[in-house]
Amino acid sequence: DAGVIQSPRHEVTEMGQEVTLRCKPISGHDYLFWYRQTMMRGLELLIYFNNNVPIDDSGMPEDRFSAKMPNASFSTLKIQPSEPRDSAVYFCASSLDGNQPQHFGDGTRLSIL
Amino acid sequence: QQQVKQSPQSLIVQKGGISIINCAYENTAFDYFPWYQQFPGKGPALLIAIRPDVSEKKEGRFTISFNKSAKQFSLHIMDSQPGDSATYFCAATGGYGGSQGNLIFGKGTKLSVKP
Repeated sequence: DAGVIQSPRHEVTEMGQEVTLRCKPISGHDYLFWYRQTMMRGLELLIYFNNNVPIDDSGMPEDRFSAKMPNASFSTLKIQPSEPRDSAVYFCASSLDGNQPQHFGDGTRLSIL
Repeated sequence: QQQVKQSPQSLIVQKGGISIINCAYENTAFDYFPWYQQFPGKGPALLIAIRPDVSEKKEGRFTISFNKSAKQFSLHIMDSQPGDSATYFCAATGGYGGSQGNLIFGKGTKLSVKP
């Protein structure tokens, strides 16, 4: 079975540009999570969805960040405008339901110059 | 109260030795405690997990010890191997009817196992 698929794996862009990160969860998984990982703050939950509906977005840093899940097999995390402090590795994870383990993708390494 | 404190930040162990990583939490509503293993360039992968109704769980060379009264749990890696070299994260969640929606992660421990 394919795991969680994230694209792109690496993104380098200039400050002020719009960045879109993409995630395809494992088929049949009802929960989808977006995390950010940095050396300073570790792994932080940004937002999670249940059946395509955002449940908790309290971890989204500010209005420049937005996430959507238009269908069960696709989600995006958008940053507009991007800033150097957004540089991090962004992970997407999915789980079968709220009581099952989360399966992580390999992440998108984002660098904002 | 939502924090999970993990120590040490880094750990060097000789091949065949025992690696021990500790975590502490404050929120008594937490009821699920997983450990994740992360290799460079990869996402975290679930290694082993425990619920507070047991004090220990063992899977192969990996054991979680859980002390509910002290609000602490630890990961023990027996007969550590160079292939175990990775970053390990403890996490906790609960208080949402068992939902894992809000996993709180520790800051991670970078383990190096020397041959």
